[in-house]
Amino acid sequence: QVQLVESGGGVVQPGGSLRLSCAASGFTFRSYGMHWVRQAPGKGLEWVAFIRFDGSNRYYADSVKGRFTISRDNSKNTLYLQMSSLTAEDTAVYYCAKDPYSRTLSHFDYWGQGTLVTVSS
Amino acid sequence: SNVLTQPPSVSVAPGQTARITCGGNNIGSKSVYWYQQKPGQAPVLVVYDDSDRPSGIPERFSGSTSGNTATLTISRVEAGDEADYFCQVWDSSGDHPGVFGGGTNLTVL
Repeated sequence: QVQLVESGGGVVQPGGSLRLSCAASGFTFRSYGMHWVRQAPGKGLEWVAFIRFDGSNRYYADSVKGRFTISRDNSKNTLYLQMSSLTAEDTAVYYCAKDPYSRTLSHFDYWGQGTLVTVSS
Repeated sequence: SNVLTQPPSVSVAPGQTARITCGGNNIGSKSVYWYQQKPGQAPVLVVYDDSDRPSGIPERFSGSTSGNTATLTISRVEAGDEADYFCQVWDSSGDHPGVFGGGTNLTVL
């Protein structure tokens, strides 16, 4: 069965950096696009970033463009999110999610359990 | 860019039908997806491509679109259906392609 396990969350000071990881199993990771989606405490869902199956194209929400970088290592079945210049508005649970397609952003057919990032001094 | 509007809350008695709407400009021309999120859990896909159900999702869940509104219908509502429900579209015309509605909290009375 598909499993997505996020890690790397924690407390970070404003202006700091953090790298999230998502270990994938139960499917052919290298064949599918992958996303990060976040949810601030008590709020709705916000799409953050998408990467194609081979890493050839990446897309970002305006709110994180220039500060966050999505990447993947298909040899390790792992998705990453490098976050920098963090602000309180980035405080959220970060989910990695699988897309059912390889190239186009469509939707999220499987989700991890999420990792909490808290930006606070 | 696309904005999706959902009612903040919907209440329904057990056994009745719940309808959760998602309004958006020209939403009928896009594929709509619906997610269920129970407290403390990750979202789960319950409807894709407007009206299809992933395996394991009960037939009680169905989706439809008409004009500028998509609707998630839950028939014969059970206590276990109590959750937040989010609609989502892919909007290739904007800089924020993954668009979610604000979410609807379904309360089973």
